[in-house]
Amino acid sequence: GAVVSQHPSWVICKSGTSVKIECRSLDFQATTMFWYRQFPKQSLMLMATSNEGSKATYEQGVEKDKFLINHASLTLSTLTVTSAHPEDSSFYICSASQAGADYEQYFGPGTRLTVT
Amino acid sequence: GQNIDQPTEMTATEGAIVQINCTYQTSGFNGLFWYQQHAGEAPTFLSYNVLDGLEEKGRFSSFLSRSKGYSYLLLKELQMKDSASYLCAVTDSNYQLIWGAGTKLIIKP
Repeated sequence: GAVVSQHPSWVICKSGTSVKIECRSLDFQATTMFWYRQFPKQSLMLMATSNEGSKATYEQGVEKDKFLINHASLTLSTLTVTSAHPEDSSFYICSASQAGADYEQYFGPGTRLTVT
Repeated sequence: GQNIDQPTEMTATEGAIVQINCTYQTSGFNGLFWYQQHAGEAPTFLSYNVLDGLEEKGRFSSFLSRSKGYSYLLLKELQMKDSASYLCAVTDSNYQLIWGAGTKLIIKP
């Protein structure tokens, strides 16, 4: 149980375009979803926390107009990187937690974004 | 500020035992996690400690001392596939996960 999927697993896009990454909880209802970014050889950096049906809470330094997060249902959250630039190239990972078990997060497999 | 310290890199021999330490200073404490992350992959959950003591799960054990702000992950009978980064993370009083930078474990034959 507690499986989280991400799509796509990798994507290459041109500078200036937008990319949408989906995160789905397959066998549980995710009341809270988290989006992380990880640069090579660095630890995870939390970008934002989203609760179903409400606006995401962004971490300091993360541009909310550039990284659009939508958590419209209890099983789906999306991250859209708008007007992507090469410095946005990174490994994006989502995680989800269940109601009443906020302490434990289940991670998706991650999405490798390369902006050329 | 909130801080989690763990060694950057460790090397061990196949079949041996290794202990990865983690110390933390956070605003409150609601549990400590250990995750394993292979290169290019997302982290996978290993253990969760919220009370003092040792939690054993197969070849992996995790220990917590809340009074000392200290935890360790013990890996026994090391296998080559255990080569990975091991991330320590603490949940603070707001249930935010604070991540350590990870310990890269290199297993040699």
